[in-house]
Amino acid sequence: GAVVSQHPSRVICKSGTSVKIECRSLDFQATTMFWYRQFPKQSLMLMATSNEGSKATYEQGVEKDKFLINHASLTLSTLTVTSAHPEDSSFYICSARAPGTGNSPLHFGNGTRLTVT
Amino acid sequence: GQQVMQIPQYQHVQEGEDFTTYCNSSTTLSNIQWYKQRPGGHPVFLIQLVKSGEVKKQKRLTFQFGEAKKNSSLHITATQTTDVGTYFCAGALGTYKYIFGTGTRLKVLA
Repeated sequence: GAVVSQHPSRVICKSGTSVKIECRSLDFQATTMFWYRQFPKQSLMLMATSNEGSKATYEQGVEKDKFLINHASLTLSTLTVTSAHPEDSSFYICSARAPGTGNSPLHFGNGTRLTVT
Repeated sequence: GQQVMQIPQYQHVQEGEDFTTYCNSSTTLSNIQWYKQRPGGHPVFLIQLVKSGEVKKQKRLTFQFGEAKKNSSLHITATQTTDVGTYFCAGALGTYKYIFGTGTRLKVLA
């Protein structure tokens, strides 16, 4: 089945530094990947849609200069949290749709728990 | 903006009791998907409903899509401790964009 790998699973960084999170589709090509953010005991909030070869589409209220997304290939999307601050601490999850007709399921990575000290 | 609400927010049941979570969208959905997230884990796809009034079953789980395609429900018969987790519906707005519901956290007491 479709597998999405996300790395790292956990990261602790100091305030002001940048963190890069990678999302890979291992056995399929994903022209579109999605980045979500989840606060403890809350739902998944869509941050942006990552499109291979073009600019990401950000949801309202998400700072594109703060959360840089790059989708350079059909199997890799990256999210960089720039100049991280404690309020950026959260669980970040990527997902991708396996190719197919209609609205095929989203396959999620295992998530990255970011802690900014 | 578009909202997808789920009720209840929390549910504690005794093992063997039934459980239902309801999902309501402020707008008509092209389809709806259901996911389960175990504590500390990532969401795992359960099922997709596309047609108005569609009902699908997976063993003890029954999923239903409303006639107006704005609401859905997940019913678990005779819950087991392995059913513990948070159940999310995700409504499709168009082809690619999914809005996740607020989730229902289920605890099953042995």
